[in-house]
Amino acid sequence: GAGVSQSPRYKVAKRGQDVALRCDPISGHVSLFWYQQALGQGPEFLTYFQNEAQLDKSGLPSDRFFAERPEGSVSTLKIQRTQQEDSAVYLCASSFGRRGTDTQYFGPGTRLTVL
Amino acid sequence: DQQVKQNSPSLSVQEGRISILNCDYTNSMFDYFLWYKKYPAEGPTFLISISSIKDKNEDGRFTVFLNKSAKHLSLHIVPSQPGDSAVYFCAASTGFQKLVFGTGTRLLVSP
Repeated sequence: GAGVSQSPRYKVAKRGQDVALRCDPISGHVSLFWYQQALGQGPEFLTYFQNEAQLDKSGLPSDRFFAERPEGSVSTLKIQRTQQEDSAVYLCASSFGRRGTDTQYFGPGTRLTVL
Repeated sequence: DQQVKQNSPSLSVQEGRISILNCDYTNSMFDYFLWYKKYPAEGPTFLISISSIKDKNEDGRFTVFLNKSAKHLSLHIVPSQPGDSAVYFCAASTGFQKLVFGTGTRLLVSP
């Protein structure tokens, strides 16, 4: 079956522009996560949804970052007034259930470059 | 504050030999540990996991060992194959689903 898909795969933005990154999780997966991976680092947690409810947004670095999952499937991560330090790969992951041990399946990521 | 550390940025091994990747953690509340493998331009792929109530878990060529007293885990790959060449990330969680990742170890298996 289809895995997690993300679009666009690559995004170049000028400093100050707003961007929107899309995640299509595996069909039927309840949980959805966003992570940010800077160059040479491991992924860092941004936010977590269970269905349409955003249960944890403790990793969002500033109020310029906003995520939503209005119908409990597709999710969008929006970054307003992008800065150079926002340049990173943004990874989306989904898991079937609500348990902490449910495997998270990752998408290929969106590489964001802010000039 | 890096709660999960992978101190070896890279490891080179010959095909057929054992690869041992190491990971240390500082948060004693972590109770679930995972290894992910990542190829270039792809997302991380789940490899193997272990709960804190165990000290070993095997899946084919892959074995993860957990030493809670030392806050250390390791991934053994036997025998190593060229297709295993990738970046390996150690990750941990506290029972909630948020994963905390290490910085990764790049494994190169040469024929």
